[in-house]
Amino acid sequence: NAGVTQTPKFQVLKTGQSMTLQCAQDMNHNSMYWYRQDPGMGLRLIYYSASEGTTDKGEVPNGYNVSRLNKREFSLRLESAAPSQTSVYFCAIADFNNEQFFGPGTRLTVL
Amino acid sequence: RKEVEQDPGPFNVPEGATVAFNCTYSNSASQSFFWYRQDCRKEPKLLMSVYSSGNEDGRFTAQLNRASQYISLLIRDSKLSDSATYLCVVIPGNDMRFGAGTRLTVKP
Repeated sequence: NAGVTQTPKFQVLKTGQSMTLQCAQDMNHNSMYWYRQDPGMGLRLIYYSASEGTTDKGEVPNGYNVSRLNKREFSLRLESAAPSQTSVYFCAIADFNNEQFFGPGTRLTVL
Repeated sequence: RKEVEQDPGPFNVPEGATVAFNCTYSNSASQSFFWYRQDCRKEPKLLMSVYSSGNEDGRFTAQLNRASQYISLLIRDSKLSDSATYLCVVIPGNDMRFGAGTRLTVKP
């Protein structure tokens, strides 16, 4: 079992470019989350999906869109990247006890 | 005021020391609480849940004080391998709120 996988691991974008971060799980959990982590800020929730077909905004959703394609996959899209979106992005899943399991992260730099 | 606040750290302690971290939260409706550990440039990993009655896992003890709205993590007999950043997590509803983390360095 891979748990939670994320692609890509690293990405460099120019301002205005778009990209999609992919997340997949093989643990059959309903809830999936996207976070960003910046120095001194801790993890901040961007979007989450409590179940297939539903998505909700978190603390910092502006500039992002998500798709819960099926139970396994939850993608995060940046339509027009900005330098303020330079960060480490983590995908996570949660079981019924709200215990979260994280993917390895995507390090994104926007120039 | 942030929803979840942690001791800023860093904490630098010798091996064998006992160290404690606190985490305060502002939403009194919060129902679930956790401590996570994060190593440098790695993803956070669940350390332990925090139960109302307090709970212990080996050298680690977690406690919840609902009246004062804080959770704590106590590490006894610190090991070099305990060096990491410790994140508290509070769940007020369907989403999650993380503290900024407390950095611990255990020195020989």
